[in-house]
Amino acid sequence: GNSVTQMEGPVTLSEEAFLTINCTYTATGYPSLFWYVQYPGEGLQLLLKATKADDKGSNKGFEATYRKETTSFHLEKGSVQVSDSAVYFCALRNFGNEKLTFGTGTRLTIIP
Amino acid sequence: EAQVTQNPRYLITVTGKKLTVTCSQNMNHEYMSWYRQDPGLGLRQIYYSMNVEVTDKGDVPEGYKVSRKEKRNFPLILESPSPNQTSLYFCASSLTGTGGSNEQFFGPGTRLTVL
Repeated sequence: GNSVTQMEGPVTLSEEAFLTINCTYTATGYPSLFWYVQYPGEGLQLLLKATKADDKGSNKGFEATYRKETTSFHLEKGSVQVSDSAVYFCALRNFGNEKLTFGTGTRLTIIP
Repeated sequence: EAQVTQNPRYLITVTGKKLTVTCSQNMNHEYMSWYRQDPGLGLRQIYYSMNVEVTDKGDVPEGYKVSRKEKRNFPLILESPSPNQTSLYFCASSLTGTGGSNEQFFGPGTRLTVL
């Protein structure tokens, strides 16, 4: 079955540091890949997505590239801000099935 | 405003007392789903619905019921709650049930504590 493995947290960084949150997956076929963000007290919001190999999703300065050869979808940001403090979830979905399979989430805290 | 709403946002109850968590979306979405979020486990799907009157089990359906009588509403029912159902619950919806790149929209969550 499908599974998503995410970098264990929590992660604490200083403002303007470089961020990488690792995500690898196991799936049949060619899934779509997603990063969701959960700010304190809120539901999940879609941050970015990629639907095929070598696609790069980007939003709000975050990027992730769909790497089929390494089954990875690592999240990166060049300069984090305090407002980026949140929990980040990597997820996948197979075509023809709406179900999302989530990783365990990574809590990110940015200190000024 | 396009949104998924859940009520209540917080609930403390006792073992065995039936409860319902409501979910409603105003985007005319066909697909709706319930997830529970637990520390170290991420989000796991409880039930989903491809359209009105069509529901099916997700990964962790035991102890839960759902119904989909109207397109916009998808309530989650706990007939006899137990402490292991203490969790954070999310409702989600998307335009169709055919997957691919369709975005799923999530509600704000319901934090349930069963004593």
